[in-house]
Amino acid sequence: AQSVTQPDIHITVSEGASLELRCNYSYGATPYLFWYVQSPGQGLQLLLKYFSGDTLVQGIKGFEAEFKRSQSSFNLRKPSVHWSDAAEYFCAVGVGGGTSYGKLTFGQGTILTVHP
Amino acid sequence: DTEVTQTPKHLVMGMTNKKSLKCEQHMGHRAMYWYKQKAKKPPELMFVYSYEKLSINESVPSRFSPECPNSSLLNLHLHALQPEDSALYLCASSQTATDTQYFGPGTRLTVL
Repeated sequence: AQSVTQPDIHITVSEGASLELRCNYSYGATPYLFWYVQSPGQGLQLLLKYFSGDTLVQGIKGFEAEFKRSQSSFNLRKPSVHWSDAAEYFCAVGVGGGTSYGKLTFGQGTILTVHP
Repeated sequence: DTEVTQTPKHLVMGMTNKKSLKCEQHMGHRAMYWYKQKAKKPPELMFVYSYEKLSINESVPSRFSPECPNSSLLNLHLHALQPEDSALYLCASSQTATDTQYFGPGTRLTVL
């Protein structure tokens, strides 16, 4: 079965600093990978996705992520964080076939706090 | 437009009540999902509908009953819930079951 690990439960950065959120996945085949962001009490907003092709993917709000098959990682980065980026970030892996076709498995999430 | 709408936004119900959650999308998506999210936890998949047929049921208790009346609508019927069922219930849809899932804002359910 697939799984996702986000090692950092909580990260605090200063506004304007760079950001990297870590994500490691476990899946036997080529994964579909996603990063979502959630503000308190809200739904999830898609930041970016990787299905195939270029391993560096660009998303909304200035975020990017790099798929590294050798490290089973899909880390999220942003060069300069804004106060409005404070939220919870979820990495997720999707299944492309078999009995779990369509299942999205989420990591535990990383809460981002931004200091002025 | 990637909008998924959910009603109601908030729902408070007693353990003997019957209520329903509603989800709607008009993007022509053929896969729809229900997730349950407890506080400070990630969303957990409950059900997947693909082309209006139930394709995944993640061993959800029978007090939760999903229904997909047509390709745009997804309901979740609730009956005899327990206080531990209180959570944010999220609906999502995607073009097909392997495409990007777009989430609605959720229904905050409180069971008294």
